[in-house]
Amino acid sequence: EAQVTQNPRYLITVTGKKLTVTCSQNMNHEYMSWYRQDPGLGLRQIYYSMNVEVTDKGDVPEGYKVSRKEKRNFPLILESPSPNQTSLYFCASSLSGTNSYEQYFGPGTRLTVT
Amino acid sequence: AQTVTQSQPEMSVQEAETVTLSCTYDTSENNYYLFWYKQPPSRQMILVIRQEAYKQQNATENRFSVNFQKAAKSFSLKISDSQLGDTAMYFCAFMKLLINSGGSNYKLTFGKGTLLTVNP
Repeated sequence: EAQVTQNPRYLITVTGKKLTVTCSQNMNHEYMSWYRQDPGLGLRQIYYSMNVEVTDKGDVPEGYKVSRKEKRNFPLILESPSPNQTSLYFCASSLSGTNSYEQYFGPGTRLTVT
Repeated sequence: AQTVTQSQPEMSVQEAETVTLSCTYDTSENNYYLFWYKQPPSRQMILVIRQEAYKQQNATENRFSVNFQKAAKSFSLKISDSQLGDTAMYFCAFMKLLINSGGSNYKLTFGKGTLLTVNP
């Protein structure tokens, strides 16, 4: 089954404790992206990656890091989480070079930083 | 920068009736894509329908259709024969292919959402 998976689905952590949210897709998509969703703000892009070893900042990259060492994986790293990073996080992926630009979303990761 | 506005924070409709969700956007671009996503209580983001700006014909997907008015920058979603399973948050989203140092960015710009409740 074609899908985007994220782990963990739920995480409660404390300020300053490094964490990684994994994202993996099995559709051989070149493009992957991270969004955060906050009440009343919709979804906002954090980082994106066009291909292996190619990443760039989105609209709200502060406090986050990403890496793309393999095509299928695009982890989101919070080196020193803070309470303002409490949010719902989505990973998405898409084929490139097509006209559909349909993005497939993972199930989301609910992060709480206390 | 592009902006997407959904002016209806909440709406409700009776089962089997028709409802229209509004969306307007602001852009100076000519080629772009518009989407409606559904987010049920499970929080999963599900693509409902897609419209390419270069196409004049409005997109339809079963009970879902759009009214795309390019000059007015309007992109409304009509749901016919509403079902209880349509209860969800609906997001309108805009995409313009961006080319920068990181390569192509298929960034989606989302509205703040409309919470639709279908009542039995």
